[in-house]
Amino acid sequence: ETGVTQSPTHLIKTRGQQVTLRCSSQSGHNTVSWYQQALGQGPQFIFQYYREEENGRGNFPPRFSGLQFPNYSSELNVNALELDDSALYLCASSFRDFSTDTQYFGPGTRLTVL
Amino acid sequence: DAKTTQPNSMESNEEEPVHLPCNHSTISGTDYIHWYRQLPSQGPEYVIHGLTSNVNNRMASLAIAEDRKSSTLILHRATLRDAAVYYCIRATGAGSYQLTFGKGTKLSVIP
Repeated sequence: ETGVTQSPTHLIKTRGQQVTLRCSSQSGHNTVSWYQQALGQGPQFIFQYYREEENGRGNFPPRFSGLQFPNYSSELNVNALELDDSALYLCASSFRDFSTDTQYFGPGTRLTVL
Repeated sequence: DAKTTQPNSMESNEEEPVHLPCNHSTISGTDYIHWYRQLPSQGPEYVIHGLTSNVNNRMASLAIAEDRKSSTLILHRATLRDAAVYYCIRATGAGSYQLTFGKGTKLSVIP
């Protein structure tokens, strides 16, 4: 069974640029969630996708957007990068059974904005 | 507010039991308590979850207070590989199952 994978591992961008991060869900999972983790903090929920539709969003501006594809892989897009967007971006997949969804996290993508 | 309260850090000797406390005084009747841990340079890892009853799995035990306002994660024999940040999370459903992480408890294991 393949776990959650994310690419790239590390990324350096400059302020104002746009970035796309990718995530491959664990086999059999239909839900993907994205989190942002600043240094020394716990992960913060960005949004969740279920069956290709956004299904919940945290306190993040619209320049954070996402997609979920029919094979349940996902992308996180961030436009107009700001210095504060420097963080570890985590993807988590789960199988939505409407009781409790155990989430399986990938290793993350470390984004640095200069 | 889905806030939980945990100590910032704890220490344990190797091969001794560890009790990691968590307060969640405003929990609602349908919120589950989840525990995740994050080893250095890795994404969070699911440990255990429960609703009302105590729960056991191969990794740990979860003891939930009768009033559900607090819980304790129990590692029965700490190993060096258990050194991590442990997060106690109130998992709220209502359409999307999002996890609200706090700062967690950093557990150090002393050989």
